Amino acid sequence: AQSVTQPDIHITVSEGASLELRCNYSYGATPYLFWYVQSPGQGLQLLLKYFSGDTLVQGIKGFEAEFKRSQSSFNLRKPSVHWSDAAEYFCAVGPGSNAGNMLTFGGGTRLMVKP
Amino acid sequence: ETGVTQSPTHLIKTRGQQVTLRCSSQSGHNTVSWYQQALGQGPQFIFQYYREEENGRGNFPPRFSGLQFPNYSSELNVNALELDDSALYLCASSPGPRGVDEQFFGPGTRLTVL
Repeated sequence: AQSVTQPDIHITVSEGASLELRCNYSYGATPYLFWYVQSPGQGLQLLLKYFSGDTLVQGIKGFEAEFKRSQSSFNLRKPSVHWSDAAEYFCAVGPGSNAGNMLTFGGGTRLMVKP
Repeated sequence: ETGVTQSPTHLIKTRGQQVTLRCSSQSGHNTVSWYQQALGQGPQFIFQYYREEENGRGNFPPRFSGLQFPNYSSELNVNALELDDSALYLCASSPGPRGVDEQFFGPGTRLTVL
């Protein structure tokens, strides 16, 4: 069974500092990988996704993520955090290809931004 | 283009009751998935409907059931509510059930079971 682990429950960074949110997955084949953001009272918004090809993917709002097969990781990064980035971030894995698009989510990382 | 909408926004029920949650898919989408998000946790996949047929189910008991209508809107029904059913229920629609089909999430329905 596939699983996703986000080791950091809470992270606090100063505005303007860089950010890295960790994500590790367990899956037999090469999964499809996603990062979502959830603001209070909002649904989930897709930041970026990885299906295949270039292991460094760019997303919206200045985020990027790198797929490392050897480490089973898909960490999310941003070079300079803005106060509006404060939210909950979820890493998710999909079964890939024609096996469907049902998602398995990690437990989330809550990002707080200090002024 | 209208996004995914869900109703109601909030709901309070008592243990043992039944509840129906509704989801209106984004225009052009024929696939809808439901997720349960307990407080402080990530969403968990309940089931998916594709063209009115169940297309996959997560590890949820049969008292969680669903429907998809010809206009691709959907309902989630939960019978015999338990306290642990208190959660945010998220609906997501997609243009298809393939792995590359992005899911678009609604804002959710917050269910409280007392």
